[in-house]
Amino acid sequence: DTEVTQTPKHLVMGMTNKKSLKCEQHMGHRAMYWYKQKAKKPPELMFVYSYEKLSINESVPSRFSPECPNSSLLNLHLHALQPEDSALYLCASGSWGGYTFGSGTRLTVV
Amino acid sequence: AQTVTQSQPEMSVQEAETVTLSCTYDTSESDYYLFWYKQPPSRQMILVIRQEAYKQQNATENRFSVNFQKAAKSFSLKISDSQLGDAAMYFCAYSPGGGADGLTFGKGTHLIIQP
Repeated sequence: DTEVTQTPKHLVMGMTNKKSLKCEQHMGHRAMYWYKQKAKKPPELMFVYSYEKLSINESVPSRFSPECPNSSLLNLHLHALQPEDSALYLCASGSWGGYTFGSGTRLTVV
Repeated sequence: AQTVTQSQPEMSVQEAETVTLSCTYDTSESDYYLFWYKQPPSRQMILVIRQEAYKQQNATENRFSVNFQKAAKSFSLKISDSQLGDAAMYFCAYSPGGGADGLTFGKGTHLIIQP
């Protein structure tokens, strides 16, 4: 069992919908991450939260809005997405000592 | 900026044989960490092995070992006694030390295990 839990596992949404991806970890890590992974490509870093503060935003469009309510939870709010945003969204926690990934949310935008 | 290069898009090996996956990286940092992650068709990212740049000794984890050549900025992964369950995409990744900056990944190597 993974120690980073992501929900939902699959999500299909229309371009006018608002949805949220959720990530939870109970490993005591103080840094959490969102990555986007397209098919047959490596994960690309989107956001980093360190001690519940946004520390890195890799020039991600504003239709993606991250939130870190506490040290164990990380959300990614989605609004007005485009079909090209369809991808696997991976959450991770940890740092140079080791990063643990969740199993991801497969997002399809129709 | 750091870069990670994997020059082998795909590798194939017979079951029970040994295979080596290549990775080079570029950084101006002195404190950093290198990783190999495995991603099977389930797309779960699984940590295979981790190397601290300040350690000269190569990391090993059971059948997995690395050849870390710091001066050459090379970090290859050797898989001994290959098993069918080793079939996956393998990503080499870099992380700076001392903070939470996330991982920079190479493009990956698709490993096929021939029975």
